This record gives sequence, structure tokens and C-alpha cells, in this order.
Amino acid sequence: SQQGEEDPQALSIQEGENATMNCSYKTSINNLQWYRQNSGRGLVHLILIRSNEREKHSGRLRVTLDTSKKSSSLLITASRAADTASYFCATPLSGSARQLTFGSGTQLTVLP
Amino acid sequence: DGGITQSPKYLFRKEGQNVTLSCEQNLNHDAMYWYRQDPGQGLRLIYYSQIVNDFQKGDIAEGYSVSREKKESFPLTVTSAQKNPTAFYLCASSINIAGGYEQYFGPGTRLTVT
Repeated sequence: SQQGEEDPQALSIQEGENATMNCSYKTSINNLQWYRQNSGRGLVHLILIRSNEREKHSGRLRVTLDTSKKSSSLLITASRAADTASYFCATPLSGSARQLTFGSGTQLTVLP
Repeated sequence: DGGITQSPKYLFRKEGQNVTLSCEQNLNHDAMYWYRQDPGQGLRLIYYSQIVNDFQKGDIAEGYSVSREKKESFPLTVTSAQKNPTAFYLCASSINIAGGYEQYFGPGTRLTVT
């Protein structure tokens, strides 16, 4: 019942550059969330964007949502080595808002 | 210090043995979840519980069992019927924030069955 799918699967950039990762989903949603996972750790919630929002910012993070294209993007500006992690988008399961379905993630590597 | 604790961090078992993974939260969240993560993949839902004494199967419940006798605790038992139990297991709880259920995760338990 996977809903969201991230693209690219892997991304490698230099410190200071911006990183953009995308998420596409299949059915209508009322919100979309992004999570980060450092290697061997649990996931950490980054940001939630509601279906009536087009863009949201949190520090160096910028998330956009295009409900007509069923897609979202996560932009990390001025990346740091500490941003190296996997990033997942998550969407509520249709008919069960408390359940989230997660994509396979984008593995971001920021080189010092 | 609020959060979700999972223990142990690493667990080794012989094939054919049942094993129970612990998950405790002091966030006062009603809903709790168990996920399985295999290398390079996303999370797959095993079981979730919206309230004490109630739980529902997720996508991959076969070979697993849970209980929810207390709000704070949601242990997962990996039974010998689970064909491929070696994986990283994550527990989470959730709360409704700004119109969506944001999930809080524990640090995970890496289970190796040989």
C-alpha cells in the first residue's frame, strides 16, 4: 500500500550546495510529511504541509506541494555534512488519517 | 525528558525462538505503531494501536503479535512463524498537530536471527 515515492533514490552534493528531492503520490491527501533518518536511527519529523498550502519553510528547509500533480519537493539550502541522511515523504492512508505510508526514501550524502 | 524508548538496540536470536521487542513512550500519545525496515527500503507497517486494548494489523502482520495493556507500552513479539525476521524494527507514536498525525519514532531495534 505504498503511496509516496521519492526521487532520486540517491543524491550526492558538496557542502554549501542546495539539495532537492521529490515525492510523488497516487491518491488525494490532506497533508504530506517529510522525515529524516540518520543511519541506524529512528526517523525524525521535519515538516508537515497541508493540502491547502503550496509552500512551507522551516529553517533551511523549504517544502512545496502541488496537489494537481500529486507531488511535493523538499529543498535543503546551504547543505552541511550533518544533513547526510535518508529523507522520506509520508502521506496518510486513505480512510485512516492516523496511518502513514512511507516511500523508499532519498539517500542524501553531503561531502565536506 | 519525553520520548520513545526501545530496547534492546541489538538483539540476536536463534531460528525457531520467539522474541519480544520493547517499546515504551511517555508522551501520552494514544496511537502507537510498529514498523519493519529492510536495508535501503522504506517502512512497512506491522501493527498499530489507536487506544489501549485495541490494535489492528498492518501490511505485514503475519508472524508477529502485539499487546496494548497500557497506554505507555506496545511490545512486539516476533514469532517463529515469521519467515524472515532479520530486520530493523521501529516503534512510533503519534499526535494530531496542525491537521495531521505527526509520528515520533524510537531509536529502533536491530534483530538478527540465525
